[in-house]
Amino acid sequence: EAQVTQNPRYLITVTGKKLTVTCSQNMNHEYMSWYRQDPGLGLRQIYYSMNVEVTDKGDVPEGYKVSRKEKRNFPLILESPSPNQTSLYFCASSFVGGGRAGEQYFGPGTRLTVT
Amino acid sequence: GESVGLHLPTLSVQEGDNSIINCAYSNSASDYFIWYKQESGKGPQFIIDIRSNMDKRQGQRVTVLLNKTVKHLSLQIAATQPGDSAVYFCAEMAGNTPLVFGKGTRLSVIA
Repeated sequence: EAQVTQNPRYLITVTGKKLTVTCSQNMNHEYMSWYRQDPGLGLRQIYYSMNVEVTDKGDVPEGYKVSRKEKRNFPLILESPSPNQTSLYFCASSFVGGGRAGEQYFGPGTRLTVT
Repeated sequence: GESVGLHLPTLSVQEGDNSIINCAYSNSASDYFIWYKQESGKGPQFIIDIRSNMDKRQGQRVTVLLNKTVKHLSLQIAATQPGDSAVYFCAEMAGNTPLVFGKGTRLSVIA
């Protein structure tokens, strides 16, 4: 089954404790992206990657890191989480060519709470 | 389920009626537009897209209309069903720049 998986689905942590949210897709997509979703603010892009070893900042990259060492994986790293990073996070992927970059497949989301 | 927006514009429609969800976009350079549906507790799901060289595109029970003159996009859902209840997002893209999402509209279907 074609899908984007994220782990963990729910995470409660404390300020300053490094964490990683994993994202994996099995559709051979070049493009992968991380979004955060907050009430009243919609979906905001954190980082994206057009292909292996190519990453770029989105609209709200501060406090986050990413890496793209393999095509299928795109982990989101919070080196020192803070309470303002409490949010619902989504990973998404898509093809780049053939005008299909907008047809993104989203993971199920990760609910992160930082206390 | 997850709360995706506490103060979203809301549209309530009777089951069986047609729904029209509107979206205004801001970037006149945007040339590709997409509608996504997000059900409670799930990630957004692609519904339909349209390029700027078109003004209308139809899918199964859905139609997207694009008016570039006033930078307006709409999603029409025919014979709305309870399963259509969700938050709907429009998104725009200019060239190869990343997708930009709107704030969303909550559709509630009254049985």
